[in-house]
Amino acid sequence: NAGVTQTPKFQVLKTGQSMTLQCAQDMNHNSMYWYRQDPGMGLRLIYYSASEGTTDKGEVPNGYNVSRLNKREFSLRLESAAPSQTSVYFCASSPQGYGYGYTFGSGTRLTVV
Amino acid sequence: GQQLNQSPQSMFIQEGEDVSMNCTSSSIFNTWLWYKQDPGEGPVLLIALYKAGELTSNGRLTAQFGITRKDSFLNISASIPSDVGIYFCAGLDGGSQGNLIFGKGTKLSVKP
Repeated sequence: NAGVTQTPKFQVLKTGQSMTLQCAQDMNHNSMYWYRQDPGMGLRLIYYSASEGTTDKGEVPNGYNVSRLNKREFSLRLESAAPSQTSVYFCASSPQGYGYGYTFGSGTRLTVV
Repeated sequence: GQQLNQSPQSMFIQEGEDVSMNCTSSSIFNTWLWYKQDPGEGPVLLIALYKAGELTSNGRLTAQFGITRKDSFLNISASIPSDVGIYFCAGLDGGSQGNLIFGKGTKLSVKP
């Protein structure tokens, strides 16, 4: 009954450090997404993967890279963290890209100092 | 990019009161969804609407897909303390590679 699992739940980084946020879903969904949530800004799409083997930029992709490792896993990498990347990051998945509700993970709270 | 205007930004209400919030767009949407986010958690889907004029209920929650296809409304009747959270509308306009576009959320606080 896991749904979408994100790790870690909390992370503190120093400016310039790198890290990878992990996301895995067990619902056999085709599409996966990475969002960031900032106060007053709602949810902004960073990258998405419509299906295994494809990735595309969303609204705010700068400073991030992604890998769709297989159908289950979609990781988000910060190569050189900046304070502006302090945020709550959510991974989501859906059966397909059109018109279906997304299932979200519980989030990763990242602070860059 | 495409934006959804969600209002109000926040609400402080007394337990037992009814709540209304809405979402508008400058362009036509094909699908409207409403999510709730509890503190410290990810958003959870409440209601999905797929047809203009559609009215759908989920317990004390009722949502409507506007006739113009440019808006949607969510009503919560007889609010209770566990209704606290952030409510997001999300829409699909058919032109964003099938990706949902989210409003900025309505933060609901309920006084017992």
